[in-house]
Amino acid sequence: EAQVTQNPRYLITVTGKKLTVTCSQNMNHEYMSWYRQDPGLGLRQIYYSMNVEVTDKGDVPEGYKVSRKEKRNFPLILESPSPNQTSLYFCASRWGGMNTEAFFGQGTRLTVV
Amino acid sequence: GESVGLHLPTLSVQEGDNSIINCAYSNSASDYFIWYKQESGKGPQFIIDIRSNMDKRQGQRVTVLLNKTVKHLSLQIAATQPGDSAVYFCAEMKSGGYQKVTFGIGTKLQVIP
Repeated sequence: EAQVTQNPRYLITVTGKKLTVTCSQNMNHEYMSWYRQDPGLGLRQIYYSMNVEVTDKGDVPEGYKVSRKEKRNFPLILESPSPNQTSLYFCASRWGGMNTEAFFGQGTRLTVV
Repeated sequence: GESVGLHLPTLSVQEGDNSIINCAYSNSASDYFIWYKQESGKGPQFIIDIRSNMDKRQGQRVTVLLNKTVKHLSLQIAATQPGDSAVYFCAEMKSGGYQKVTFGIGTKLQVIP
């Protein structure tokens, strides 16, 4: 089954404690992205990747890092989480070019206290 | 989760009626316009897209209309069903480079049985 898998689904952590949210896709997609979703603000892109070892900032990259060492994985790293990073996070993947259909993971609800 | 639906424009429709969800977009240079559906507790799911050189496209029970003159996009759902209850996002994509997809804030559709 074609899917994007994120882990964990829920996470409560404390300010400053480094964490990683994993994302994996099994569709051999070139493009992968991370979004955060906050009430009234829609989906905002954090980082994206066009292929292995090719990543770039989205609209709200501050406080986040990513890596793309393999095509299937695109982890999101919060080196020193702060309460304003409490949000619902989604990973997405799609074919490159003009293909518009993105496949989203189930989401990770992160709370930073 | 449910908090995603807070602060959103809401459309309430009787089961069996047609729904029209509207979206104003900002970038007249966008090449594609896309609709996504997000059910409670899930990631967004692709519904349909339309290229900027078209003004109408039909799918299964859905029709998307594009009016470039007034930068307006709409999603029409025929014979709305309880399973259509969700938050609907319009998005736009511009070609070139990464082909970034930018999402709107969404509209919540409530189907009244």
